Amino acid sequence: GAGVSQSPSNKVTEKGKDVELRCDPISGHTALYWYRQSLGQGLEFLIYFQGNSAPDKSGLPSDRFSAERTGGSVSTLTIQRTQQEDSAVYLCASSSQRGGAEQYFGPGTRLTVT
Amino acid sequence: KQEVTQIPAALSVPEGENLVLNCSFTDSAIYNLQWFRQDPGKGLTSLLLIQSSQREQTSGRLNASLDKSSGRSTLYIAASQPGDSATYLCAVYQAGTALIFGKGTTLSVSS
Repeated sequence: GAGVSQSPSNKVTEKGKDVELRCDPISGHTALYWYRQSLGQGLEFLIYFQGNSAPDKSGLPSDRFSAERTGGSVSTLTIQRTQQEDSAVYLCASSSQRGGAEQYFGPGTRLTVT
Repeated sequence: KQEVTQIPAALSVPEGENLVLNCSFTDSAIYNLQWFRQDPGKGLTSLLLIQSSQREQTSGRLNASLDKSSGRSTLYIAASQPGDSATYLCAVYQAGTALIFGKGTTLSVSS
């Protein structure tokens, strides 16, 4: 079956512009996670969604970052007024249930802010 | 606050060698531990998932062990091949959080 997909695969934007990153989780997976991988920083958690519960936004680095998940499936991560330090690979993962289930990752979106 | 450490940061071995990658974590209250592989410019591929009640998991030439009380996990790769060259990431899952990752071990296997 299809895995987690993300689009675009690469995005170059000018400082100050807004960007939207998309994630399509594995069908039927109720949990969806966003992570960021910065050079030298490793992978850090941003936000996660579980079913219809309120999302855990504790990892978002600033209020310029937001995410939504429509219909319990597709998710969009929005970064407003992008800064150069936002340049990173943004990874999405999904799992079949909350807690303890294996997470499956998408290929990521490489964001470059010039 | 949970911290995950992977040692070594980089490793170079000749083809055919058996090797061990190490992962340690500071808080033993974990639900599970997951090992991933990441190829350059690619996403993460899950290799093995060990639940907190388990001691080890095996898949092909890979064997992962977990000692929760001491906060350690190892990934054993038997008979390494050039195609095993990648970055290997260890991550732990705790209640109410997402995965917490180590910074990875970059493995290079030469033919």
